[in-house]
Amino acid sequence: GAVVSQHPSRVICKSGTSVKIECRSLDFQATTMFWYRQFPKQSLMLMATSNEGSKATYEQGVEKDKFLINHASLTLSTLTVTSAHPEDSSFYICSAPVSDPGRSQWGYTFGSGTRLTVV
Amino acid sequence: RKEVEQDPGPFNVPEGATVAFNCTYSNSASQSFFWYRQDCRKEPKLLMSVYSSGNEDGRFTAQLNRASQYISLLIRDSKLSDSATYLCVVILRSNDYKLSFGAGTTVTVRA
Repeated sequence: GAVVSQHPSRVICKSGTSVKIECRSLDFQATTMFWYRQFPKQSLMLMATSNEGSKATYEQGVEKDKFLINHASLTLSTLTVTSAHPEDSSFYICSAPVSDPGRSQWGYTFGSGTRLTVV
Repeated sequence: RKEVEQDPGPFNVPEGATVAFNCTYSNSASQSFFWYRQDCRKEPKLLMSVYSSGNEDGRFTAQLNRASQYISLLIRDSKLSDSATYLCVVILRSNDYKLSFGAGTTVTVRA
């Protein structure tokens, strides 16, 4: 099945530094990648949608200059948290839609998530 | 009002019990509905889609009530391995890939 590999799974960084999170589609081409953030006991909140070869679309309230998204190829999308602060500590997860022709619908495959702790 | 709302629980049930919970959605134009399962500190995994006529997958039964704008999940004969957070997920439009997640309902099955 379609797999998205997400790295790193866990990162601890100092306040003010930048952290890059990668999501790679291993056996399919991901023209679209969704980036979510999940705080403890809360729902996954969509941050942005990246499309290969074009600018990402950010959800309301998400700073595009702070959360840089690059989707330069059909198999790689990256999220860079710039000048990270403790309030950015969260679980970040990517997801790509994948077609399921047998059921004539779309499915969604998720990366395994990145737990970011900013100290 | 949130797009998708769930009772956070937790629902603590003994092995073998039946547990059921609902999820409400705010937009009547919502097209597709899913239940995902999320284990602690892990990514969500699709449990089942929810069809208009209701559907069953083993011990799991999902129902959709469009008139009242809610979906439900029922787990029969609970197993210890069913302990998880169950996320209600809604897609607004059929040509829109965006998922709207509920905050999840936590189920704990005890021996």
